[in-house]
Order: sequence, then structure tokens, then C-alpha cells
Amino acid sequence: NAGVTQTPKFQVLKTGQSMTLQCAQDMNHEYMSWYRQDPGMGLRLIHYSVGAGITDQGEVPNGYNVSRSTTEDFPLRLLSAAPSQTSVYFCASSYSGEGATTQYFGPGTRLTVT
Amino acid sequence: AQSVTQLDSQVPVFEEAPVELRCNYSSSVSVYLFWYVQYPNQGLQLLLKYLSGSTLVKGINGFEAEFNKSQTSFHLRKPSVHISDTAEYFCAVSGGYNKLIFGAGTRLAVHP
Repeated sequence: NAGVTQTPKFQVLKTGQSMTLQCAQDMNHEYMSWYRQDPGMGLRLIHYSVGAGITDQGEVPNGYNVSRSTTEDFPLRLLSAAPSQTSVYFCASSYSGEGATTQYFGPGTRLTVT
Repeated sequence: AQSVTQLDSQVPVFEEAPVELRCNYSSSVSVYLFWYVQYPNQGLQLLLKYLSGSTLVKGINGFEAEFNKSQTSFHLRKPSVHISDTAEYFCAVSGGYNKLIFGAGTRLAVHP
């Protein structure tokens, strides 16, 4: 199993450009999430999905779109990049289940917006 | 609303000394608590989790944490640290559908 994979590892964008961060998992997990990590703020939830075709907003959704057409993939789209979106982005996946199950994190994408 | 407070942003410690990283939480529903570790330039790895049962939870790499409901705390401890434990540690609470609410992180620096 590759686990959770993310591409690209690094990206530099100019203000106003758009791009898609890719996330894929091969563990047949129902739940997938996107977080951003900023110094001194921990990780904050951007969007999450509880299954194919179902997505919802997290704590900091503005400026980001998601869709989930398959169980495996959960791409994150930046429609018009802003310097405030400079961050490290992590995708995570987990099984559904009673209580809370372990989330598995990808290696991250480091994004710089100039 | 749920929240997590990590009381120390940085903890310096000498090798082979004990360490405690402090975490307090706020939650009005059933509490599921986690500690994750992030080594430099890597993703997050689960150290341990509390879902129910025994309040003392043992994790990987010799770490353990104690769930204290009356003090709303979930402090992480290790009796003897190694240089390789240098990393950032995150406490988190589950917010339903496995959504995690993270603390700001504690940077553990182990010195020889």
C-alpha cells in the first residue's frame, strides 16, 4: 500500500493563479480531509468528505474548493491564489467507524504564493 | 465548541531526562484525544490515542499519556528522551466524522 500520496511536494504560484493539489489513498477509506499548517497555529481543517459525492466545509474553507468523485481521490482547488494561502497542506484519510479512527496523513505540499 | 490548548510552544530538555508535554482540551461531547508527532519536513504520525477505557494510554516510541477528565487534560510523557525524539508534537481532539481539532503544537528539542 502506498498509503496517502500528495502531489506536488512543492509549488510556487503568483497571486491570482489557480491550481489543484492532488491527494489519493489506496486504503479504501471513507473519510478524507484537507488541513493547512501554519506556524504557531497547528493544523486547521479546510474541507472534508465522508464518502464519494459528499463534501463539507471545515474551519477555513474560503478560497478553496473540493470534490470527491471517487473513494480514492480528493483534490483541493485554489481558484485564485492569495499570499495568505502560503502554507503547508496535508491530506488525511481514515475509516468510518464507532468513536474515532486513526487518520493517516500524506507527506504534505508546501505552497508559496508570491 | 471543541478546542485544544498546548501550554508550551517549546520544550528544551537534555537527553535521557524525562519530559512532559501538556495539553488541555474543551469538549461538550464524548472525547476522543490524540497525540501526533511531526518530524522535520515530514507528515504527521500517530503516537497514541484515547477513545475509552483505561485513562493511561501507551503509544509508540515509549510515550504515554494520561486522560484526566476532571482537569480536562491529556498530557504526554516519556521517562527518558533521545535525540531522535526531537520533533513537533500535536495534541488533537476528534470533532465528529474524524475531523481533528489541533493544538498549536509543542516543539521538543532534545540536547546532548
